[in-house]
Amino acid sequence: NAGVMQNPRHLVRRRGQEARLRCSPMKGHSHVYWYRQLPEEGLKFMVYLQKENIIDESGMPKERFSAEFPKEGPSILRIQQVVRGDSAAYFCASSMGPVGEQFFGPGTRLTVL
Amino acid sequence: GENVEQHPSTLSVQEGDSAVIKCTYSDSASNYFPWYKQELGKRPQLIIDIRSNVGEKKDQRIAVTLNKTAKHFSLHITETQPEDSAVYFCAAIDSGAGSYQLTFGKGTKLSVIP
Repeated sequence: NAGVMQNPRHLVRRRGQEARLRCSPMKGHSHVYWYRQLPEEGLKFMVYLQKENIIDESGMPKERFSAEFPKEGPSILRIQQVVRGDSAAYFCASSMGPVGEQFFGPGTRLTVL
Repeated sequence: GENVEQHPSTLSVQEGDSAVIKCTYSDSASNYFPWYKQELGKRPQLIIDIRSNVGEKKDQRIAVTLNKTAKHFSLHITETQPEDSAVYFCAAIDSGAGSYQLTFGKGTKLSVIP
């Protein structure tokens, strides 16, 4: 059973470009969470999705950021017009149910030049 | 929303000694408390968790205790080994409004000195 997959593992973008981060949850998991981790800090919740639905996006900036989890395919976190402050590690996690162990992917390290 | 405080931010112990990391939370509705270990450049990995209907849980050298009245929970690692060196994060589930986002503490960098 493959774990949570994320790609790319490293992403470099110039200011103003778009970043697309992908997350494939563990098999059988329909709950996906995205977290952001700044250097030397803890993880901050961004968004919680189930298939085709955004359940909670209270941690996501209202502008430039969006997330989706389509019926088929991976969950995608999209950052438009990136700025240097978006540089961070972005982790997704998945779980089988809403309150239970969240399994984390390896993360995508975004660097904005 | 939930707020989780974690102490200490850094901890150095001699190999074989015990390490204790403490967290407090603010939302009395929180009912699930996991602990994650993160090695440098790696993903967070669950090492132990506890639910609010239990006061203590143990798994070999690792134990977690929960005091619901005081709203704090602690991680205890006994007989520490160099491979225990990592950053440890506590977290709590904020179950309000139908969401189950993990709220993390800021982490404790544990160094085990051989």
